[in-house]
Amino acid sequence: NAGVTQTPKFRVLKTGQSMTLLCAQDMNHEYMYWYRQDPGMGLRLIHYSVGEGTTAKGEVPDGYNVSRLKKQNFLLGLESAAPSQTSVYFCASDGAGARNEKLFFGSGTQLSVL
Amino acid sequence: GENVEQHPSTLSVQEGDSAVIKCTYSDSASNYFPWYKQELGKRPQLIIDIRSNVGEKKDQRIAVTLNKTAKHFSLHITETQPEDSAVYFCAASIRTGANNLFFGTGTRLTVIP
Repeated sequence: NAGVTQTPKFRVLKTGQSMTLLCAQDMNHEYMYWYRQDPGMGLRLIHYSVGEGTTAKGEVPDGYNVSRLKKQNFLLGLESAAPSQTSVYFCASDGAGARNEKLFFGSGTQLSVL
Repeated sequence: GENVEQHPSTLSVQEGDSAVIKCTYSDSASNYFPWYKQELGKRPQLIIDIRSNVGEKKDQRIAVTLNKTAKHFSLHITETQPEDSAVYFCAASIRTGANNLFFGTGTRLTVIP
């Protein structure tokens, strides 16, 4: 049981390049989330999903797209990276019901856009 | 949307003393308030949480209090230890399905041996 796994752990992009971050969870969780963390600003929700085939916008969705083709995977895409997207990205998941509402985070992806 | 404010941004205490971190929220519909601890370079880890139908919750040296009327909640750590040094985040959400958390900006706690 690996929990929430993110790949890659580090990435450097040039402005305008594209990339996809992969998040996988093996806990059969319904809900998955992508957050970004910037110094002094805490974590902010980018997009989330309430189930396979669904996605929704969070607090800061501009410049990102997501997909959830399989229940266990949640992909975050940057179509044209900008320096403002330099951040640490965390994926998270949790389940339905009071027993499963603990949010599990992945280990994070450090992304630098030059 | 929800706005969560957290104070102080930094806090230094002597080992064995207590530490208190306070948060306020804006949306009276918020009903779930977790606290996360994040060590340098690591992922956030849930340390305690509270729902709006409870005023206080305690887990060993950690306690959280909630005042729904004033829309603020606090984290209390007693008998602090050097391993408590980390950044602590409060958060709030309207937990009816997905857990869309709004986070505070964090408090860097340093416990001085």
